[in-house]
Amino acid sequence: AQSVAQPEDQVNVAEGNPLTVKCTYSVSGNPYLFWYVQYPNRGLQFLLKYITGDNLVKGSYGFEAEFNKSQTSFHLKKPSALVSDSALYFCAVRSNTGNQFYFGTGTSLTVIP
Amino acid sequence: NAGVTQTPKFQVLKTGQSMTLQCAQDMNHNSMYWYRQDPGMGLRLIYYSASEGTTDKGEVPNGYNVSRLNKREFSLRLESAAPSQTSVYFCASPSPWAGYGYTFGSGTRLTVV
Repeated sequence: AQSVAQPEDQVNVAEGNPLTVKCTYSVSGNPYLFWYVQYPNRGLQFLLKYITGDNLVKGSYGFEAEFNKSQTSFHLKKPSALVSDSALYFCAVRSNTGNQFYFGTGTSLTVIP
Repeated sequence: NAGVTQTPKFQVLKTGQSMTLQCAQDMNHNSMYWYRQDPGMGLRLIYYSASEGTTDKGEVPNGYNVSRLNKREFSLRLESAAPSQTSVYFCASPSPWAGYGYTFGSGTRLTVV
């Protein structure tokens, strides 16, 4: 069965500090992995993806994510957090053999000034 | 810009009333999806359509019906609304500028009283 786990409902970080939002997955076949961000009262916006190739992928707004196959993880990172990064973040996975996406339950990130 | 358009943005229904949520995409993709978002539960798939003329149940289809009217449009119908259907509903479709992940509509916030 395909699934995504985001073990932290809430992450707080001080402005300027590095941030990490965790994601682990379970999928049959090779995974396609995505991160989305949701600002209040808005739809989900694509941040970045991993399909194949370099394990470190870079995305929008200075975010990056590291694919770790042995740990089945795809953690979202940013070297220096901004207050404007405060939002809800979703990890999603799709198998390379299927069309359907599976989403985590989301992690609320708060960057403290 | 091309994307996914949802209407309405907000709706309040009384228990037992019916309504249809409309979704249209102009990315010329075959598949379209309806999700609901509830606090602490992430996004759950209600129904999807892999191509024009086909629809399939997702994780939480009870109380909903869908119609894939043509390649562009995919509507979600609540025949007899219940308070448990109070949620935010998102339509999505794959798009090249989301790395062939989803582009989401802006959502419909539905309250059933």
